[in-house]
Amino acid sequence: TAGITQAPTSQILAAGRSMTLRCTQDMRHNAMYWYRQDLGLGLRLIHYSNTAGTTGKGEVPDGYSVSRANTDDFPLTLASAVPSQTSVYFCASSERGGDYNEQFFGPGTRLTVL
Amino acid sequence: GQNIDQPTEMTATEGAIVQINCTYQTSGFNGLFWYQQHAGEAPTFLSYNVLDGLEEKGRFSSFLSRSKGYSYLLLKELQMKDSASYLCAVRDGGYKLSFGAGTTVTVRA
Repeated sequence: TAGITQAPTSQILAAGRSMTLRCTQDMRHNAMYWYRQDLGLGLRLIHYSNTAGTTGKGEVPDGYSVSRANTDDFPLTLASAVPSQTSVYFCASSERGGDYNEQFFGPGTRLTVL
Repeated sequence: GQNIDQPTEMTATEGAIVQINCTYQTSGFNGLFWYQQHAGEAPTFLSYNVLDGLEEKGRFSSFLSRSKGYSYLLLKELQMKDSASYLCAVRDGGYKLSFGAGTTVTVRA
């Protein structure tokens, strides 16, 4: 079982360009999340989706958009990248109704905006 | 808002015990998680507490006091592979997590 996959692994992007970070899970989890991780700040929630067809804003949503057309995929789009969006991006998923509902994380995408 | 505090760094010797404290002030509480994250890798789940008390899992234990807004992660019989960041996270009334900045533990021989 692959769990959660993210693509690309890393990317250098020119400021002003758009980009979509891909996230796919094969665990049939209802909920999915996007975080960014910056040194000294920890993981911060960007957007989340409790179930296919619904999305919500997290702590730092500005400059990002998401969609959840089906259970497995949860892409994150940067419409016009800025240098402050340089970060490591993690996608995660969790089941609802289980014992812990812990979140499982993908391997991350390292994005540099120049 | 959510406020979750944990020390930035800790150093310990192989075979020793280290305790990582986490204090939190959150608008809702539906459980506290500890994650381990090795450098350059994804966080992985270590433990979960929702009721007061101690949860033990092998060399790792986690404690929660909801009235004090306090948790700790205890790592026993430290091994070199335990060198990593340890993340404290609080779940609100829904399913979202708020994370502390993480504690980097360095294990020395």
